[in-house]
Amino acid sequence: QKEVEQNSGPLSVPEGAIASLNCTYSDRGSQSFFWYRQYSGKSPELIMSIYSNGDKEDGRFTAQLNKASQYVSLLIRDSQPSDSATYLCAVNGDDMRFGAGTRLTVKP
Amino acid sequence: DGGITQSPKYLFRKEGQNVTLSCEQNLNHDAMYWYRQDPGQGLRLIYYSQIVNDFQKGDIAEGYSVSREKKESFPLTVTSAQKNPTAFYLCASSEWGGVISEETQYFGPGTRLLVL
Repeated sequence: QKEVEQNSGPLSVPEGAIASLNCTYSDRGSQSFFWYRQYSGKSPELIMSIYSNGDKEDGRFTAQLNKASQYVSLLIRDSQPSDSATYLCAVNGDDMRFGAGTRLTVKP
Repeated sequence: DGGITQSPKYLFRKEGQNVTLSCEQNLNHDAMYWYRQDPGQGLRLIYYSQIVNDFQKGDIAEGYSVSREKKESFPLTVTSAQKNPTAFYLCASSEWGGVISEETQYFGPGTRLLVL
């Protein structure tokens, strides 16, 4: 069974801090990696996609990928209370697999 | 306004009843998907379709059925055989890259199914 693992949290950070969300995956053949944000009771919305090793930055968000370690992370700089949500990691190899999500709370 | 619509937002099912969840997209995407989300769990794939009149089972297809008669539409029927249907159901679509999907999946707003 191909697995995507995330720390379920909750992860709590103060406003303005850096939030670090981590994800590991078991399928070494995975090629595409995604981070989705899901507010309570809502559907997931795409934040970032990353396909090659290294960092990819988009505004306050940075995705980091290390295929050798089968590890992908999301950093949120200058965290805001509006960033409080569950963050889903998704990994695409032969099929798309989702982690259970990490719940992030940003305290004012 | 391009996007994915799902209806209804809430759906109540009685014992022994089949119910159908609607999913429509105007993104001109080839591939469409149905996922089930339970509290504290990741999304689990029920069915997916790469092309009109063709669809494939996902990890948890038992008790569900789908059709793909039009590119824009991918309805999901929850049959009476599904004994624990209470969940949040999400429809998604994407371009088709040859494997299950090489492209980003975009989600509809979801339907919450409750059993009476």
